[in-house]
Amino acid sequence: DAGITQSPRYKITETGRQVTLMCHQTWSHSYMFWYRQDLGHGLRLIYYSAAADITDKGEVPDGYVVSRSKTENFPLTLESATRSQTSVYFCASSEREYSNQPQHFGDGTRLSIL
Amino acid sequence: AQKVTQAQTEISVVEKEDVTLDCVYETRDTTYYLFWYKQPPSGELVFLIRRNSFDEQNEISGRYSWNFQKSTSSFNFTITASQVVDSAVYFCALSEGDNAGNMLTFGGGTRLMVKP
Repeated sequence: DAGITQSPRYKITETGRQVTLMCHQTWSHSYMFWYRQDLGHGLRLIYYSAAADITDKGEVPDGYVVSRSKTENFPLTLESATRSQTSVYFCASSEREYSNQPQHFGDGTRLSIL
Repeated sequence: AQKVTQAQTEISVVEKEDVTLDCVYETRDTTYYLFWYKQPPSGELVFLIRRNSFDEQNEISGRYSWNFQKSTSSFNFTITASQVVDSAVYFCALSEGDNAGNMLTFGGGTRLMVKP
């Protein structure tokens, strides 16, 4: 039971570089989410997806791009990384509409931008 | 828009003390879910409890208990006889609508330190 996996777990990169964070889930969940965690803000939603090829913005989408060509994958790309995007990123998934099951979270990716 | 406030940013207690973590929420929806998550030092998010807006019964699970009061828009979390292993950051969260898997709005978190 692999569940939901994020890669890499840790990443250091430089300002201006492109970086992609991967998220893979094995449950065939319809919904997938990307959150960032920053001190004092808790977790904030970046983007989410209700199904393959359907994505929508969350609270803090600027500077990020997502895609969902397959149900199980939901990569998050920082096209030109900035220091303000240094954060811990969590991916999550959930079953479908009208479910009483909560989201399942990955273990997070700690991203540092120098 | 929905909002979750955890006014206590940090709490420090001595082992075996009881501690209550406060959570106040705002939403215009009549149907919603409330959650508590634990984030230990290792960093992962551990789901603790889910409560929907139509169920105001308090819940107890071992040393953990939750008090949901719609009249005050609060969903407080009490740890009885705290232990060092309870040291973590605790998040309260809200999702609107009748899908518990909907996007979450998190509070800022409360860091709990339990000293031996």
